[in-house]
Amino acid sequence: VLTQSPATLSLSPGDRATLSCRASQSVASSLAWYQQKPGQAPRLLIYDASVRATDIPARFSGSGSATDFTLTISSLEPEDFAVYYCLQRSTWPLWTFGQGTKVEIK
Amino acid sequence: QITLKESGPALVKPTQTLTLTCSFSGFSLSTTGVGVGWFRQPPGKALEWLALIYWDNDSRYSPSLHRRLTISKDTSNSQVVLWMSNVDPVDTGTYYCAHLPHTPPYFDSWGRGTLVTVSS
Repeated sequence: VLTQSPATLSLSPGDRATLSCRASQSVASSLAWYQQKPGQAPRLLIYDASVRATDIPARFSGSGSATDFTLTISSLEPEDFAVYYCLQRSTWPLWTFGQGTKVEIK
Repeated sequence: QITLKESGPALVKPTQTLTLTCSFSGFSLSTTGVGVGWFRQPPGKALEWLALIYWDNDSRYSPSLHRRLTISKDTSNSQVVLWMSNVDPVDTGTYYCAHLPHTPPYFDSWGRGTLVTVSS
């Protein structure tokens, strides 16, 4: 089970966003972060806990291992307001998502 | 460029079998390590992984739904089909398919999704 917190983050453009994802058992570094905007498919941001996917801006960074992971957006841009999901691929054969964190404009 | 597109009925009656097709381009499901997964998202809720099929026909299913799901591939036509039996209104949602590369093994390209409503 992946637990994301907080459920909602109310911030302003330019703020730093820190999102948490906690696993009920170790997933090593087999964790990804996705961004989803209304009416759109998820977009891969980070994989293997800390590796930025292709064409993802440097303001997005991931950290953590085992059971505690963090997605940080260093300075929020208007297009970053969205829902963010973590996804683990460690406990085979399962792919499990967290319940999401909504980053909304304050 | 990898593209995927989901297709299927917009409305299904309870107890019927839902058939969804993922048509893709830009990769081959005969390439070692490659897979295609299916996901769903009820309105306003989180994403849920449903099933995955690999290039070698190895298939994996969500433990909570495995008795109701079947996934298959048609490599020559670049399609993956998902069947979900005995649907219920709780199965209403947007269904997505996505590409799984060999490296890194995370779903990196997604279709736009197709909304399925289960109602009598």
